Amino acid sequence: NAGVTQTPKFQVLKTGQSMTLQCAQDMNHNSMYWYRQDPGMGLRLIYYSASEGTTDKGEVPNGYNVSRLNKREFSLRLESAAPSQTSVYFCASRSQAGREKLFFGSGTQLSVL
Amino acid sequence: LAKTTQPISMDSYEGQEVNITCSHNNIATNDYITWYQQFPSQGPRFIIQGYKTKVTNEVASLFIPADRKSSTLSLPRVSLSDTAVYYCLVGDEGSARQLTFGSGTQLTVLP
Repeated sequence: NAGVTQTPKFQVLKTGQSMTLQCAQDMNHNSMYWYRQDPGMGLRLIYYSASEGTTDKGEVPNGYNVSRLNKREFSLRLESAAPSQTSVYFCASRSQAGREKLFFGSGTQLSVL
Repeated sequence: LAKTTQPISMDSYEGQEVNITCSHNNIATNDYITWYQQFPSQGPRFIIQGYKTKVTNEVASLFIPADRKSSTLSLPRVSLSDTAVYYCLVGDEGSARQLTFGSGTQLTVLP
């Protein structure tokens, strides 16, 4: 039972490079989320998708784009990476119905040099 | 969105009961209170959720007063493995609205 799977687990980029972080869930959840966590800090919401075909900005969307490819997959793209985007990125999902909890992936450690 | 306030850190000793309080003065009628636990290099995981009064599961208890402006997570007889960051989250779990985490409480359990 995989749950929420994120790839890659680690990535090093140079300033200005682009990359896409992948996230997939196998729990048939409607809602998916991207968070970033800086050292010693809490999680900050970047973007979320309430359902397939919809995306909305969170607290810190600047410098990122997202795609809800289908119900299972929600990707996060950095078009031109900056050192300020060095962080750990977490993907999460939950069912839209009822009082459902968030399920998190294991995270992607991203360093931008 | 209801803003939450928690202590930044707490220390405890093994075997003690630990209570972590979260303030959420502008909680809305439809909001639930959910607590998550996060170990280093891992994503947060669900601990407990409640709406009012008291909720207990195999891991923790959650106490919510009648005015719901605060909540207290209670961990009985903590062990070293309970050392983690604990987050209080307040939101309308019935919708897919964005869920915002606060800074969390770093609990350190000492031998």
